[in-house]
Amino acid sequence: DTGVSQDPRHKITKRGQNVTFRCDPISEHNRLYWYRQTLGQGPEFLTYFQNEAQLEKSRLLSDRFSAERPKGSFSTLEIQRTEQGDSAMYLCASSQTGAGALNPYGYTFGSGTRLTVV
Amino acid sequence: SQQGEEDPQALSIQEGENATMNCSYKTSINNLQWYRQNSGRGLVHLILIRSNEREKHSGRLRVTLDTSKKSSSLLITASRAADTASYFCATDARSNYQLIWGAGTKLIIKP
Repeated sequence: DTGVSQDPRHKITKRGQNVTFRCDPISEHNRLYWYRQTLGQGPEFLTYFQNEAQLEKSRLLSDRFSAERPKGSFSTLEIQRTEQGDSAMYLCASSQTGAGALNPYGYTFGSGTRLTVV
Repeated sequence: SQQGEEDPQALSIQEGENATMNCSYKTSINNLQWYRQNSGRGLVHLILIRSNEREKHSGRLRVTLDTSKKSSSLLITASRAADTASYFCATDARSNYQLIWGAGTKLIIKP
């Protein structure tokens, strides 16, 4: 297992189209996170899974966004009817537990999917 | 809204010099983490410091935490060209699964 994998690395889509991104976490990690990052800014939390359960969603995640993690393994993030404001880097991360006393190693991030909506 | 604020926004130094970056945050935390991001890539975890710790070392990295001032600093000693990247602090102010990030410090090491 070489880390967190995200696919595709880059996606260019026309406004109004639907897009889907995939994230394969480290296999032993039961926690999976999606973040969004725009140029020159830090990441913003989107959603969090523990195993297959989606336990938290940010208010940034409008009804056009949906995320799944079937069987607690890989995860997908779908954006419907894309808008130019959706252009960003979408980052996936995984961890064995939350960062803290039991996990001094933080989260392992993938290389991200850069979405450009034209 | 962002919890952390890094300072400076950008830093350019000569190879071999030390680089210091600061992070301030607004609410109480359990821990604070520093990450590095190379241009267009994902984030790499550098170090985590808990709220009951004041200083932590990892190789050429030294992190301090002052909870009374709600601030942290990251020191990179003997900088190398490969250290060129953006550095972010992140806190668990809301929960241990929702990290709150600053806007980062862009560090450039000149050969």
